[in-house]
Amino acid sequence: DTGVSQDPRHKITKRGQNVTFRCDPISEHNRLYWYRQTLGQGPEFLTYFQNEAQLEKSRLLSDRFSAERPKGSFSTLEIQRTEQGDSAMYLCASSLADAGDEQYFGPGTRLTVT
Amino acid sequence: RKEVEQDPGPFNVPEGATVAFNCTYSNSASQSFFWYRQDCRKEPKLLMSVYSSGNEDGRFTAQLNRASQYISLLIRDSKLSDSATYLCVVNKDKLSFGAGTTVTVRA
Repeated sequence: DTGVSQDPRHKITKRGQNVTFRCDPISEHNRLYWYRQTLGQGPEFLTYFQNEAQLEKSRLLSDRFSAERPKGSFSTLEIQRTEQGDSAMYLCASSLADAGDEQYFGPGTRLTVT
Repeated sequence: RKEVEQDPGPFNVPEGATVAFNCTYSNSASQSFFWYRQDCRKEPKLLMSVYSSGNEDGRFTAQLNRASQYISLLIRDSKLSDSATYLCVVNKDKLSFGAGTTVTVRA
């Protein structure tokens, strides 16, 4: 399968713990995006990378959230000191710059904070 | 005001029927437009891009009205497998998603 992959698919954690998610984009895609989706809502943009550079971060992304894409390939999203309000589906997408902005999504990581 | 607004539905239609729905967007400088489809507890999947002249992909027709800032999707001869949530997506530097329109096709 050459699509976007995410790991883990599900994560249950206790409030206050740190969690890290990984995203592997489609190999030739140079842009990588993180979104968060809660029930009944569309995905909300969090941040995106072009190659290894983080070009934009949403105001939704508090200081507890950090994302990296060190080699311009896979990316990690870390949430520190998780809160119950962080419970959501975290989606990663990738695209090829200058290819019509069409983004392809991974299966997501469902986070539950207890 | 939300950047992208959609009628949440649900639109409950019989197989073979035609169903159509719109979304509106607030940023007149938006550059590109898409419809994504999302099945329950799955990731969004690109259904089609939307072009100014309108475009068709099989049973699906998308229209864009820049003057009124709305986008439409029409599904002809609907199938059971068309049951899903359809997300309207607008791009101005980043993608903004609507909350989705739920379509249920019944036998």
